[in-house]
Amino acid sequence: DIVVTQSPDSLAVSLGETATIHCKTSQSVLYTSNNKNYLGWFQQKPGQPPKLLLYWASTRESGVPDRFSGSGSGTDFTLTISNLQAEDVAVYFCQQYYSTPDTFGQGTKLEIK
Amino acid sequence: EVQLVESGGRLVRPGRSLRLSCAASGFTFGDYAMSWFRQAPGRGLEWVSFIRAKEFGGTTEYAASVKGRFIVSRDDSKNIAYLQMNSLKIEDTAVYYCTRERTYRDATGSTTEAYDLWGQGTRVTVST
Repeated sequence: DIVVTQSPDSLAVSLGETATIHCKTSQSVLYTSNNKNYLGWFQQKPGQPPKLLLYWASTRESGVPDRFSGSGSGTDFTLTISNLQAEDVAVYFCQQYYSTPDTFGQGTKLEIK
Repeated sequence: EVQLVESGGRLVRPGRSLRLSCAASGFTFGDYAMSWFRQAPGRGLEWVSFIRAKEFGGTTEYAASVKGRFIVSRDDSKNIAYLQMNSLKIEDTAVYYCTRERTYRDATGSTTEAYDLWGQGTRVTVST
C-alpha cells in the first residue's frame, strides 16, 4: 500500500494569513499517460464528514473558494489556504487514489492563532 | 436534496454481525459506484469497501483488514447500499461513512473519480 504522510500534525495561523500543509506519498502518484497526479485533499470539521476540496492535486471541487489551492507532483504535494478565515478551522487530509487501496494521510489540524 | 444517510450502527459484541445501510436521494443512484470508509476514534480515514455501478459489472473490492468478513451490496431499485459486517472485531469500532464516487473529466478527456458526496456517518462500537 502507498503510505501517505502529512506535515505538520497541527498548526496555528492568524486570520488573514496563509496556511501551508504538506503531503508526501511513498511512491509517485503521477500517471505519466495523462500527466495527472491522483491525489485529493479533504476538509473535515468537527462532527462532520470529510468534504472534497481538490482532486488531481490542484483542481478545485465546485463551490470550493479559490483561497484553497494545491500544488506538487510525483510524491510531494502542498495545500495552501490563503487569507485564512475562521470557518477554515478543521482537520485536512490528503488522499492518494493512484492505486488500490486508497490511503489517507494522518491529518493536519488547523487552528486560529 | 442530494444526500446519503447511513443507518444501522450500534454497540455489538465481538464475533457478531451487523448490517449498515446507506440510503441515497436526489440523484440517480444506479449510475454511481459507492464506497464505504471508516474513521476510528481519534484516527484517520480508512477505505473499507467499494461496489461499482451495475453498468460496470457491480463488482466489489475490499480492504485487506475486512476481506472475507465484510460484504458490500446494492439495491438500485431502493437506492440503498449495504455493508454486511460479520465476525466483528474490537478494531472495527469506528464511524462508518458511505460515499458516492463521481467521475470528473477535463478538456483533454482525462478522467478521474473522486468522493464528492459523503453521508453523516453511523457509529459502530464493538465491545464486550
